[in-house]
Amino acid sequence: SQQGEEDPQALSIQEGENATMNCSYKTSINNLQWYRQNSGRGLVHLILIRSNEREKHSGRLRVTLDTSKKSSSLLITASRAADTASYFCATDYSTLTFGKGTMLLVSP
Amino acid sequence: DAGVIQSPRHEVTEMGQEVTLRCKPISGHDYLFWYRQTMMRGLELLIYFNNNVPIDDSGMPEDRFSAKMPNASFSTLKIQPSEPRDSAVYFCASSSIGTAHGYTFGSGTRLTVV
Repeated sequence: SQQGEEDPQALSIQEGENATMNCSYKTSINNLQWYRQNSGRGLVHLILIRSNEREKHSGRLRVTLDTSKKSSSLLITASRAADTASYFCATDYSTLTFGKGTMLLVSP
Repeated sequence: DAGVIQSPRHEVTEMGQEVTLRCKPISGHDYLFWYRQTMMRGLELLIYFNNNVPIDDSGMPEDRFSAKMPNASFSTLKIQPSEPRDSAVYFCASSSIGTAHGYTFGSGTRLTVV
């Protein structure tokens, strides 16, 4: 079964709004990673947060990690139409295990 | 670096035929992974290599699937014989231990078995 579970499965917002995606997982991790996948393309690594970190920023991305609750969130601020994609969390213990993703649609 | 290169991008084959998917990882990466993506099951890890040695193939669905990495710059995933339920997108990814940059994925091979 999948290690990570993203929520919501789909999210539709307007340009300029913030998008928040959540991820829950079940077992211990070394780190947690977020990836983006545009339609028909491979996955692109966005950000990695280690198990001893609680928050990390990269440009318009903010990731939080709560190991006590086994959960993470990805916030995209000031969204753009180009952010339309599927977003996956992946937990790293020895290899990466992916959730099924959140489909984000950003409308102009 | 051109990134992880997979070929072919699309493959349509008839049931029972042999299919070979190819991958060139990023130079210097010592880990190579093969994943399969379907709508029903999401992304599944099939097998991974470290320094060209297969480490864990527990995700390989059955004996019809095999993977090799003869050298640091090339890997193949073979399905023989292929079945319609093998239809999926197959991704190759590479990585270095301890990297803060995650895995680098190829663009995938979309396999359709008819």
